[in-house]
Parts: sequence; C-alpha cells; structure tokens
Amino acid sequence: EAGVAQSPRYKIIEKRQSVAFWCNPISGHATLYWYQQILGQGPKLLIQFQNNGVVDDSQLPKDRFSAERLKGVDSTLKIQPAKLEDSAVYLCASSLEGAAAYEQYFGPGTRLTVT
Amino acid sequence: QQQVKQSPQSLIVQKGGISIINCAYENTAFDYFPWYQQFPGKGPALLIAIRPDVSEKKEGRFTISFNKSAKQFSLHIMDSQPGDSATYFCAARGSGSARQLTFGSGTQLTVLP
Repeated sequence: EAGVAQSPRYKIIEKRQSVAFWCNPISGHATLYWYQQILGQGPKLLIQFQNNGVVDDSQLPKDRFSAERLKGVDSTLKIQPAKLEDSAVYLCASSLEGAAAYEQYFGPGTRLTVT
Repeated sequence: QQQVKQSPQSLIVQKGGISIINCAYENTAFDYFPWYQQFPGKGPALLIAIRPDVSEKKEGRFTISFNKSAKQFSLHIMDSQPGDSATYFCAARGSGSARQLTFGSGTQLTVLP
C-alpha cells in the first residue's frame, strides 16, 4: 500500500513570497489533515478535510494560509505572503472515515524555510 | 484544556534499559491516546495506542500505562535498542465531530549502544 505522498520535500523562500505544498493521501482515505510542526514541537493541526469539505480549520491563519481538496483526493496548502515564523515542517496525514478513523498516516512532510 | 503535557524533553538510556516517557492531560473528553514515533526526515508513525477504559496495553517491547483518575499516561520501552532512538510524541483525540489529535511537545530518545 502506497503511503501519503508530499511534494516538494524542501522549500526555501524569502518572506512575503508565496508557496504551495501538495499532498496525495492513501487511496480510499476520506479524511485528510494538514499539520504544522515547528522545530522542537509536536504537530499542530491546521485544517481537516472530510472528502472535499472542511471539518475543522479553527487553527488555520486564514489571512495568509489557504487549503483546498479538489474532488476529495489530492490537497494543496498555500501560504501567501510567508512570514519568518512560518518556517516549519508541513505534514499531511490521512485516515479512514468514521469508526475506523483512529489511525492517522503521515507523509514525510515539506520542510519550509523562510528567510 | 486542549493541552497535552509531555516529559522529559530528552532522554538518554543505555542499551537494554527501560525508557519511560510521561504525558498528562486536562480534557476529560479525550477518548483515544496514541503514541507516535518520528525519525529524522520522516513523518510520525503510530506506535501504540490505548482507550481510556483500559489501564495498560502491551505490544512487544512497548507498553502504555493509563491512569484515568490522574489524567496521565506513559510509554514504557523495555530492553531499549539503539534503533529506538527517535522522537516520541504522545497525543490525545477529542471526542467532538472533528476528533482532532492534540500532540505533546515530544521526547527525543537516545539509546546508547
């Protein structure tokens, strides 16, 4: 079974530039998550999708971050404009829907450096 | 109330020793407590998990002990091996419609050969 795919793996941008990350979840997983992991901290949920609808985006800085999940499969997370404090690893995860949705499977992440 | 507090921040253990990582929570509505293992450059991977109606769960060398009244749970790694060297995160899942995971701050474990 293929895992969660993310690209790019690394990205370096200057502040005020924009950046986009892509995620392809495990086939059949209805729920998709984007997390931000700052160095030395645990992952923090940014947004959760159920199919192509948003379930929770309460911790997403909506003035600069946006995310979409077209057709309930792939997802993109965008930052515009980036700030220095956005430097982090952005993790995508997916899980099954409903009662079986205990385990979240994480991708390798995208390491973003904002200079 | 959504916080999960994890300690210690780092842990060094000799090969064959026992590694113990502790977590505490406040929100009594959490209904699932997983532990994730993360190697450098990789995403977290589920290691073992427990529900609050069970006091202990063991899988191989890994054991979760859960104390519901104290709102604490811990991970014990028996016979620790150098390959166990990684960062470990505890987490707790909310019981609302989103069922989101709240992660602890992580423990960097080093097992010396």
